[in-house]
Parts: sequence; structure tokens; C-alpha cells
Amino acid sequence: QQPVQSPQAVILREGEDAVINCSSSKALYSVHWYRQKHGEAPVFLMILLKGGEQKGHDKISASFNEKKQQSSLYLTASQLSYSGTYFCGTEVSGGYQKVTFGIGTKLQVIP
Amino acid sequence: DAMVIQNPRYQVTQFGKPVTLSCSQTLNHNVMYWYQQKSSQAPKLLFHYYDKDFNNEADTPDNFQSRRPNTSFCFLDIRSPGLGDAAMYLCATSRGRGSYEQYFGPGTRLTVT
Repeated sequence: QQPVQSPQAVILREGEDAVINCSSSKALYSVHWYRQKHGEAPVFLMILLKGGEQKGHDKISASFNEKKQQSSLYLTASQLSYSGTYFCGTEVSGGYQKVTFGIGTKLQVIP
Repeated sequence: DAMVIQNPRYQVTQFGKPVTLSCSQTLNHNVMYWYQQKSSQAPKLLFHYYDKDFNNEADTPDNFQSRRPNTSFCFLDIRSPGLGDAAMYLCATSRGRGSYEQYFGPGTRLTVT
């Protein structure tokens, strides 16, 4: 079951904040976040496990609301280097440990 | 540096002509994945190996096969490529399945003429 990401695309000016959402119709065990720059491989950002945890490093953080089966990725004071497509991947509870990726959110940071 | 390597980076093949893509890793990870990614789409899992245990996705066409002769190497064979198989093919590894970080290779861009 592919997670749903929103928005599909967003344009920011440097220094602005953004939130990317990821939701599932199934109970989740974990949520993964990756960033992919054009023509490159996806790069791991973070994993959140059920239990409603939050994580973050530098100006990128994420939360996982297990009850709502949702995760949000927060980008604070965006930099040009944040541009790319952000994918969430979800692992369903009680499933067979497979991560299914959403369609992605294309983020462009402009000067 | 430990990494995931894919060869070739670009592959052009003819319609129906078999092609093999390769992936190697120096991370000594148990799990190796193959994803197909078409333009502006999510990576789609084709199959994965957990050690020598092969796991095929239900919707992966029979045209796609894989081999993992040892821990370090994994191959994707496309027996009779069609125009619809043109895509980026990504190999990834992880220490375990599920809640483990996946390390992606740079991908092989396959063109079918």
C-alpha cells in the first residue's frame, strides 16, 4: 500500500520553512525519509519507529504520529542544498518488513 | 570508502535483447534490493535477497530475474527488454529488512531502442 505524500511540489525561497506530509491507510511500524537529487541515488535522512518519536539533525526534523498513521518532515530555514525530491517510505505493522515508497515531494529552493 | 557500486551507469539495449545489470557492495550487508524507478515516480521494489533467500514481489514481471552469487554481488537480468522497461534501476543494501537504513547505489539508466 503506497503512502500518500503532500504536497506534490513546493517552491521555497532560501530561509523559508516547509512541511512535507506522509500518510498511510494502514498501521505503521516505521517511516523512512530519503532525499533524491536529480539524476542521483536517494540518500537516507532518517527513520522513525512507532511510539510517536521525533527525530532531527541540523535543520531537518520529522515526527511520527502512530495513531494517525502519519509522518511529517520539517525543513527549517531552507538552503539551496535542500532542493530535491523527498520520499517517505512506510513499513506496515505486522507486515513482512517491506518498505514502500510514496510518489515523492519535489522541493525547489530558490535564492 | 564502503559503498554500493553499480555498473554500467548507462546501458542501451535493443528491444528483446537480454541485458544484465550489476551491483556490488563493500558494506557486507545481508540484504540487497533492486528497484525500478521511472521518471517522476517512486522507486518500485522488484525483489530482494536476504542473504541467499530470494524474495520476489508479486507484481514483478517474469521478464526480470536476479542472481546473488555471493554477499558482495547481485545481478539483475532482463531477459527480453521492452520499451516499457526503460528506467533507472537502483540497487540498495541494508543490514536487515524493514527498519534499517537503505544505502543506494548511483543507479543504471537503461534505454531500450
